[in-house]
Amino acid sequence: DIQMTQSPSSLSASVGDRVTITCRASQGISNFLAWFQQKPGKAPKSLIYGASSLESGVSSKFSGSGSGTDFTLTISNLQPEDFATYYCQQYNSYPLTFGGGTKVEIK
Amino acid sequence: QLQLQESGPGLVKPSETLSLICTVSGGAISSSSDSWGWIRQPPGKGLEWIGTINYSGSTFYNPSLKSRVTISVESSKSQFSLKLRSVTAADTAVYYCARRPGVFRSFDPWGQGTLVTVSS
Repeated sequence: DIQMTQSPSSLSASVGDRVTITCRASQGISNFLAWFQQKPGKAPKSLIYGASSLESGVSSKFSGSGSGTDFTLTISNLQPEDFATYYCQQYNSYPLTFGGGTKVEIK
Repeated sequence: QLQLQESGPGLVKPSETLSLICTVSGGAISSSSDSWGWIRQPPGKGLEWIGTINYSGSTFYNPSLKSRVTISVESSKSQFSLKLRSVTAADTAVYYCARRPGVFRSFDPWGQGTLVTVSS
């Protein structure tokens, strides 16, 4: 199985900040990497697929990069609605696996 | 706009079978490019992929659950289902269904999720 490791597991940031979350795969997954946002009590929402392609309707404040084993999600100009938990997920091969999540909290 | 909705019992007894249905509306379940999946999330924990079924009925399961899981599609009802046998308290989770729109994409959209508690 491909293990997905996210860091940090949590972070505190202020409104207006730019934050970066990293995700590392235990083996190469090309660009078969997605990012999801999950708010409390809600289903995850897809933000990015193909490591860097924005889902339709998702704000351009979200951006993704990387290929192979190392990936990043960057959120610019953090707003109150962006405080949530973010998950990466590889879909290069079965079993599909998720990172442990990064909780973005208000400082 | 495609929407998915999970339904099924919220409480299941240990050793019994958890059965959930996902109803798809606003789009075709029989599209050759789409596959359909189940993902779960224990309370306060992360996401775990359970399995996926594609348009031809081919299934892919998480090896950690494979011996207990069956996913099937009933196209005429625009539904796909999950059966998880011999459940224990460790299977208590919010269960989500989701569409996977092609091999170059991951899950989008997701259903709202349904909490299933395993308890006697």
